Amino acid sequence: QKEVEQDPGPLSVPEGAIVSLNCTYSNSAFQYFMWYRQYSRKGPELLMYTYSSGNKEDGRFTAQVDKSSKYISLFIRDSQPSDSATYLCAMSARSGGSNYKLTFGKGTLLTVNP
Amino acid sequence: EAGVTQFPSHSVIEKGQTVTLRCDPISGHDNLYWYRRVMGKEIKFLLHFVKESKQDESGMPNNRFLAERTGGTYSTLKVQPAELEDSGVYFCASSPGLAGGYGTGELFFGEGSRLTVL
Repeated sequence: QKEVEQDPGPLSVPEGAIVSLNCTYSNSAFQYFMWYRQYSRKGPELLMYTYSSGNKEDGRFTAQVDKSSKYISLFIRDSQPSDSATYLCAMSARSGGSNYKLTFGKGTLLTVNP
Repeated sequence: EAGVTQFPSHSVIEKGQTVTLRCDPISGHDNLYWYRRVMGKEIKFLLHFVKESKQDESGMPNNRFLAERTGGTYSTLKVQPAELEDSGVYFCASSPGLAGGYGTGELFFGEGSRLTVL
């Protein structure tokens, strides 16, 4: 079983739709949860960062973490064509300061159609 | 401020040859990381430098891979001899501060160096 599972999609939605992206994980030691956005031929850029369980909102983006279910989500409201990218979930455990060792999902390719 | 820069953006080599990838982190960032994405797989951690010292190289696949970071500035990742399974995109990332960088919670990634081994 992979440590992090993410549906690769692709996911295609009309402009203005609410997008839901999800990852499940198996390692109960994970405490830091991130969503990265990657445009084609570019490097990943951090979108949202959450520690432990709970919700975090930033503009049109909301990240949710449910540690009891080992499930994390990213919601995008009022999606825009500029949101078209690959979204990668990533997580890490804090062990001796090694929280830089991110475990990534495969990424979900999202296309928002005008 | 310049971001993380990587060179070359794409390299095509024959099996058995040597390739050296270079990463220039954001100025002042003590932490430098190498990650790799093999086609169809997830991005995976390779190693971590704090300044010029290797902090963690647990993700390095084998001894054909050698990473260095000269004077705590730029880093190189050499693959010698390259094998077909080494093909993929090699990402470099950096972060400020002490090991981990989660003071800001962000690793800054470069655009990656795509390696194709024929």
